[in-house]
Amino acid sequence: LAKTTQPISMDSYEGQEVNITCSHNNIATNDYITWYQQFPSQGPRFIIQGYKTKVTNEVASLFIPADRKSSTLSLPRVSLSDTAVYYCLVGDGNTGKLIFGQGTTLQVKP
Amino acid sequence: NAGVTQTPKFQVLKTGQSMTLQCAQDMNHNSMYWYRQDPGMGLRLIYYSASEGTTDKGEVPNGYNVSRLNKREFSLRLESAAPSQTSVYFCASVMAGENYGYTFGSGTRLTVV
Repeated sequence: LAKTTQPISMDSYEGQEVNITCSHNNIATNDYITWYQQFPSQGPRFIIQGYKTKVTNEVASLFIPADRKSSTLSLPRVSLSDTAVYYCLVGDGNTGKLIFGQGTTLQVKP
Repeated sequence: NAGVTQTPKFQVLKTGQSMTLQCAQDMNHNSMYWYRQDPGMGLRLIYYSASEGTTDKGEVPNGYNVSRLNKREFSLRLESAAPSQTSVYFCASVMAGENYGYTFGSGTRLTVV
């Protein structure tokens, strides 16, 4: 399974755009890239998933370059409630098995 | 509400005791998973079941057993609990073959003393 590397922590301020980049050099052809958000004492929550180029939903955007060796989660205009741990995962949609890394702890300050 | 239900939410065990963590989903998902999360760490896969009737080991299976009772239910058993198994346990499910995100339960916080 492809491993991912992402920053351990990031700080931001309310109203700013936050970009979290994830490296996945060994991504396989069948792998999708998925991002999750986790608040303390809760299970992770699905944010967004993509295969290539750009995906956007009501919460975030996901940018994936042509070589798919990295991806960037973009959170527009963050608020204090976006303070959480963000996980980048790559995995085969057929087997469904995903391996979590340590994630990025995002701290949004007022 | 549709989702993944885990029981119990909290449990304290003495070393050597056994217990079963229960997980049920009502979304007709094929695949189910058990993860553990230690303080300040990411989630580690214990066991998973890609479909009813199959189970496979994940990253950290030692000390655990699982049963995929039916399509809805996937239980995790600790036969002889150890302090190293103190953790928060999360169950998740997904429809295999569809690239949607997992749905996670709210977790079971287990302490082994």
